Amino acid sequence: DAGVTQSPTHLIKTRGQQVTLRCSPISGHKSVSWYQQVLGQGPQFIFQYYEKEERGRGNFPDRFSARQFPNYSSELNVNALLLGDSALYLCASSLHRTGEKLFFGSGTQLSVL
Amino acid sequence: LAKTTQPISMDSYEGQEVNITCSHNNIATNDYITWYQQFPSQGPRFIIQGYKTKVTNEVASLFIPADRKSSTLSLPRVSLSDTAVYYCLVGNFGNEKLTFGTGTRLTIIP
Repeated sequence: DAGVTQSPTHLIKTRGQQVTLRCSPISGHKSVSWYQQVLGQGPQFIFQYYEKEERGRGNFPDRFSARQFPNYSSELNVNALLLGDSALYLCASSLHRTGEKLFFGSGTQLSVL
Repeated sequence: LAKTTQPISMDSYEGQEVNITCSHNNIATNDYITWYQQFPSQGPRFIIQGYKTKVTNEVASLFIPADRKSSTLSLPRVSLSDTAVYYCLVGNFGNEKLTFGTGTRLTIIP
């Protein structure tokens, strides 16, 4: 079975632009979580979706939004990009709710210039 | 959510056993302890999870004392490929906001 897939792998944007990142969970997994990882730090929780509903939100501004589709894939949107949004964005899926074993994708490396 | 404290970095030689300790003094009754491994430019990978006493799988062991205020990840006979960052997480199933700390950067020396 395929693991968690994320696209694109790399992205370069300029300040003020908008970006959409995509994630496909492992087949059968209904939960998708998004994390931001700045260089040298651990991943920071952004959102969790379970059964297409938002179940948790981290301390991120409203410029960050996400959604989950009927096939359980997910998109993370970031508006009005700032230089500080440059990071590795990770998607993780799990069979049920977050807290149990998470399966991570390889991430999208976003650079904001 | 219980906060965790880990050493920032550790070095070890190939073939040795490595023990990484995590402190979680405020762990709640229904919290589990989970360890992840992360290589550069990759997402974290699940290593092991436990609630109390000892858990062992094909890659590691997890030792949890009776008071559960700390835990130790044990990696037997490490190799160069074990060089990575190791994260200790504490939380319960259904806790959506799992938080990673800064982790322990383990470097294996040939």
